Amino acid sequence: AQTVTQSQPEMSVQEAETVTLSCTYDTSESDYYLFWYKQPPSRQMILVIRQEAYKQQNATENRFSVNFQKAAKSFSLKISDSQLGDAAMYFCAYRVLSGGGADGLTFGKGTHLIIQP
Amino acid sequence: NAGVMQNPRHLVRRRGQEARLRCSPMKGHSHVYWYRQLPEEGLKFMVYLQKENIIDESGMPKERFSAEFPKEGPSILRIQQVVRGDSAAYFCASSQQGAVNYGYTFGSGTRLTVV
Repeated sequence: AQTVTQSQPEMSVQEAETVTLSCTYDTSESDYYLFWYKQPPSRQMILVIRQEAYKQQNATENRFSVNFQKAAKSFSLKISDSQLGDAAMYFCAYRVLSGGGADGLTFGKGTHLIIQP
Repeated sequence: NAGVMQNPRHLVRRRGQEARLRCSPMKGHSHVYWYRQLPEEGLKFMVYLQKENIIDESGMPKERFSAEFPKEGPSILRIQQVVRGDSAAYFCASSQQGAVNYGYTFGSGTRLTVV
């Protein structure tokens, strides 16, 4: 079974600084997708960034970028120039690339990101 | 496009009652997924449905829980004879047919409280 581990229950960063959230996963699959979701107090799950395992280039979305290390099964999220609106729970998620069932996402337990003004 | 709509936003049920949670997918989306989030936890996959078909229910408890996605109308997650341990946030997500390898669009969830 696939597992996703987020080892940092809580992280704090000064506004405008850079922070990195860690995620590791365990899988025997070679083709899969990885995601970072943001959950603010409103509870809405917002997709931040996604990465296809077959792509070596790290995904980037504006101030958000990932460091994908496939051999190490590591998928960290870097947030540059942190803003107050970035404060939220961040969840790392994994999904196997399959054509049939078992299409659900496997989530980590989350990291609570605090932005200090 | 109104996005994925879930209702009610909050639901309170007494032990032994039934809970019905509704999810209307985004327009044009024919795949629906239900997830449960317990306090201090990430989301756990429950069930994946397409119109009139359950594709994967490997995350659903064997008893008291059922889900449907009829030809017309929203998807329904039904919990019979609720117990305190069912208290959680239940999220629905939808995706387009043929775009299942993207992250889905989530609704805002239904918070179920069993008293």
